[in-house]
Amino acid sequence: SQQGEEDPQALSIQEGENATMNCSYKTSINNLQWYRQNSGRGLVHLILIRSNEREKHSGRLRVTLDTSKKSSSLLITASRAADTASYFCATAGANFGNEKLTFGTGTRLTIIP
Amino acid sequence: EPEVTQTPSHQVTQMGQEVILRCVPISNHLYFYWYRQILGQKVEFLVSFYNNEISEKSEIFDDQFSVERPDGSNFTLKIRSTKLEDSAMYFCAERGTSVQETQYFGPGTRLLVL
Repeated sequence: SQQGEEDPQALSIQEGENATMNCSYKTSINNLQWYRQNSGRGLVHLILIRSNEREKHSGRLRVTLDTSKKSSSLLITASRAADTASYFCATAGANFGNEKLTFGTGTRLTIIP
Repeated sequence: EPEVTQTPSHQVTQMGQEVILRCVPISNHLYFYWYRQILGQKVEFLVSFYNNEISEKSEIFDDQFSVERPDGSNFTLKIRSTKLEDSAMYFCAERGTSVQETQYFGPGTRLLVL
């Protein structure tokens, strides 16, 4: 698989349910960031988790990071219709000077009212 | 969240024409990036820029592309002779001084090459 792959590719759930998206990567990282993109629009930063962190919360968002498995998950609790968007994980390389972000393929989340 | 702005929001151009995409930087940000997203595909890194120099570039960033930040003003991406396959959404991104800092993205410029 490529650096930064999310699964599932698409997810539809009822409003109020929790949504979980997963991301896997291949190389060592400095940090991992999650972004949201509404259709055809810009990338909105959601949360950054450092390589020495295991879990982070921000409002209804919970992110975990397992560097031994090279994977991360994004949990959105109590989903709302406005959460409908594509969600991408992006990894920043571990080597100094290699801070570019490598994006995953994204999960398209649809919240059914 | 800091707001990164980009101009224009949309640009339509003829193949072979030059285009310049602009990003208005946030005052304390020092690291700048350009990414692009072809419709339906993942976001791809083009180039990173620090201290008026390119620090890294991808294979996509060939001789047709250039970046500059003249006099600490807008950060620009120039495509000298556009091709059909350059049609994409182009995002600039910025971050502050720490490698652990968030990269903040602009809203993007949608470029269509005819």
